[in-house]
Amino acid sequence: EAGVTQSPTHLIKTRGQQATLRCSPISGHTSVYWYQQALGLGLQFLLWYDEGEERNRGNFPPRFSGRQFPNYSSELNVNALELEDSALYLCASSFGANYGYTFGSGTRLTVV
Amino acid sequence: AQSVAQPEDQVNVAEGNPLTVKCTYSVSGNPYLFWYVQYPNRGLQFLLKYITGDNLVKGSYGFEAEFNKSQTSFHLKKPSALVSDSALYFCAVRDPNNNDMRFGAGTRLTVKP
Repeated sequence: EAGVTQSPTHLIKTRGQQATLRCSPISGHTSVYWYQQALGLGLQFLLWYDEGEERNRGNFPPRFSGRQFPNYSSELNVNALELEDSALYLCASSFGANYGYTFGSGTRLTVV
Repeated sequence: AQSVAQPEDQVNVAEGNPLTVKCTYSVSGNPYLFWYVQYPNRGLQFLLKYITGDNLVKGSYGFEAEFNKSQTSFHLKKPSALVSDSALYFCAVRDPNNNDMRFGAGTRLTVKP
């Protein structure tokens, strides 16, 4: 069974540009979660998608957005990039509330 | 919203000694509790979970955790640490009412030979 896959592995952007990060969940998982892991800050919850709908979002500005497609894959968009957006962005998927998350290996976004 | 606290940024133990990584939580209902481990430049790997039942939960790689409702704690333990256990450990709590999971800040475990 394929795990959660994220692309690209690394992404370098300049300040003010837009970044698009992609995630494919495990087959059968309908929920996708996005987290930001900045250096020294642990995991900060960004977004939760389920059945194509945004169910919850963390304390991030609106320039962080995303969507979930009919095949349950997901995209995270970050507009007007700032230097402090540099972080590892982790995607996870799950089958339901009683289950843990399965994480992808992340996308390392560097804003220069 | 639910929250998790990991009071120690760093835990150092000698190989062969027991280890404990602490976690306390806050949630409105019955908690779903998890431990994850992260190796350098990797995503998180699931170690164990508590949903209901026995307060002592056994997980991967010889780790276990004890759920203590009165102290709202879910400490991770291992009887004999290995150098290969050195990694970043995250405790997480999930409120089944809103389904998303919140993580602690992480504890870096270093096991010295």
